[in-house]
Amino acid sequence: AQKVTQAQTEISVVEKEDVTLDCVYETRDTTYYLFWYKQPPSGELVFLIRRNSFDEQNEISGRYSWNFQKSTSSFNFTITASQVVDSAVYFCALSHLGGGSNYKLTFGKGTLLTVNP
Amino acid sequence: DGGITQSPKYLFRKEGQNVTLSCEQNLNHDAMYWYRQDPGQGLRLIYYSQIVNDFQKGDIAEGYSVSREKKESFPLTVTSAQKNPTAFYLCASSIRGRSTDTQYFGPGTRLTVL
Repeated sequence: AQKVTQAQTEISVVEKEDVTLDCVYETRDTTYYLFWYKQPPSGELVFLIRRNSFDEQNEISGRYSWNFQKSTSSFNFTITASQVVDSAVYFCALSHLGGGSNYKLTFGKGTLLTVNP
Repeated sequence: DGGITQSPKYLFRKEGQNVTLSCEQNLNHDAMYWYRQDPGQGLRLIYYSQIVNDFQKGDIAEGYSVSREKKESFPLTVTSAQKNPTAFYLCASSIRGRSTDTQYFGPGTRLTVL
């Protein structure tokens, strides 16, 4: 069964601190994609990254970086030098390609990040 | 600007009423989705459509209905049969209907039953 676990329900940091959001997944697929989305207080989910299971290279985009490790089934997200504007709920999601459910994206329950000035 | 619009932003419904949430996209995407979000929860799929004039039930379709008469539009009706409709509703689209495709989301509609 597909499953995404974001064990950190809430994280609170002070501005300029680095913070890592954890995402652990379970899947029987050999090919799959992982996603991160940001949901600011306005409510809209903003796409951040998509990574396929064959590409384990870490990715950096400005202050954001992602660490994908198949060995531990994890796809963690780090924000360096956090800012108040980073305050949001962050969701990790997993694709599913088998069993007639190839449309289905499984979401974690999200991590609420609060960055205090 | 290309994107997804949802209206209204806030909606209030009396018990026993049906209400329709609008979702429009101009991204030329084939697939569209409706999700429900409850506080502290992830997103749960209500319905999805991979092509015009076709749609499929998701995980929590009971009490909801949809139509897909145009590629750009995927309205969701919350019927009186939905027992607990107060929630945040998000519409999304993707270029095709595969889960490997990135889904892009609209701003959402917050529905409150009075």
